[in-house]
Amino acid sequence: GAVVSQHPSWVICKSGTSVKIECRSLDFQATTMFWYRQFPKQSLMLMATSNEGSKATYEQGVEKDKFLINHASLTLSTLTVTSAHPEDSSFYICSAGRLAGEETQYFGPGTRLLVL
Amino acid sequence: LAKTTQPISMDSYEGQEVNITCSHNNIATNDYITWYQQFPSQGPRFIIQGYKTKVKNEVASLFIPADRKSSTLSLPRVSLSDTAVYYCLVGDMNTGFQKLVFGTGTRLLVSP
Repeated sequence: GAVVSQHPSWVICKSGTSVKIECRSLDFQATTMFWYRQFPKQSLMLMATSNEGSKATYEQGVEKDKFLINHASLTLSTLTVTSAHPEDSSFYICSAGRLAGEETQYFGPGTRLLVL
Repeated sequence: LAKTTQPISMDSYEGQEVNITCSHNNIATNDYITWYQQFPSQGPRFIIQGYKTKVKNEVASLFIPADRKSSTLSLPRVSLSDTAVYYCLVGDMNTGFQKLVFGTGTRLLVSP
């Protein structure tokens, strides 16, 4: 149990286009999901907290208009990178926790984004 | 959120026991300690979690002294496949959806 999936696993796009990444909790419901970004040889950096049915909470320095987050159901959160540029190329990872009683976060496999 | 400090890297050989220590001097009463493992181009994987004393599962042990200001992840008889980055995190899991702040992690290299 406690499996989190992401789609796509990797994506290449042209500069200026938008890319949507999905995060799904496959066998549990998640009121809250988290989005991270990781550059090569660096640690994970929290971007935003995705709350089901309400607006996401963004960390300082993360542009909410560039990284659109939607959490429309208890099993799906999406991150849309709008007007992507090469500097947005990174590894994007989501995590989710089960409802009351869960002790930890479970991470998705990540999505590699390359913007040309 | 309590900050954690770990060694940047460690080297070991196959079959040896590896102990990675993490400092978390500002840990709060309700904080739990969680360790994750991350392979390149993969999401972190939960290894073990504890509050105090010792916790053991099929892959690792976690030692936490009485003051809880540090913790040690012990990996018995490592293999080449244990080469990864190991992250120590602390947070209040009792409140539910804890947002995790990752430190630098420890890059473990296991050689033949």
